[in-house]
Amino acid sequence: DTGVSQDPRHKITKRGQNVTFRCDPISEHNRLYWYRQTLGQGPEFLTYFQNEAQLEKSRLLSDRFSAERPKGSFSTLEIQRTEQGDSAMYLCASSLFGAFNEQFFGPGTRLTVL
Amino acid sequence: DAKTTQPTSMDCAEGRAANLPCNHSTISGNEYVYWYRQIHSQGPQYIIHGLKNNETNEMASLIITEDRKSSTLILPHATLRDTAVYYCIVGSNTGKLIFGQGTTLQVKP
Repeated sequence: DTGVSQDPRHKITKRGQNVTFRCDPISEHNRLYWYRQTLGQGPEFLTYFQNEAQLEKSRLLSDRFSAERPKGSFSTLEIQRTEQGDSAMYLCASSLFGAFNEQFFGPGTRLTVL
Repeated sequence: DAKTTQPTSMDCAEGRAANLPCNHSTISGNEYVYWYRQIHSQGPQYIIHGLKNNETNEMASLIITEDRKSSTLILPHATLRDTAVYYCIVGSNTGKLIFGQGTTLQVKP
């Protein structure tokens, strides 16, 4: 399967712990996006990269959140000092810049903060 | 990015056409209309997009009014597998997608 993959699929952690999620985009895609989705809501944008450059960050992204895409391939999203309000589905998507904005989404990582 | 308004939910009989409306009265001239859907427990999936003209692909048709202030997504022969949340999004041809709450389409046998 050559789609977007995310790891882990599920993560349960205790409040105050740090967590890191990984996203592997479709190999030729140079753009990578992170979104967060809570129950009953549409996904909300967090940040995106073109190659290794982080081009935009949402104001929703507090300083406890950091994302990297060091070699322009996979990306990681780290949440430090997790809070119960961080419980959500974290979705990654990728696209090919220059084409129209068809984003391919991964299955998501479901985070539960106890 | 322009905001969209969609009905919260709709029902459709299996085999019939599903017509999902979207209002985007503040759309600007260079913004596209995108439709994505999200089947339960999966990531969103691209369906179709358009700028001014009506568009059709293997999944659906998109009808955009002449003033571009509204559009309709048409699933010509809905099946049970089309039950999902459908998102109408207005935005540029690149960059982030701004999702609303979408329309929950329930296809019934």
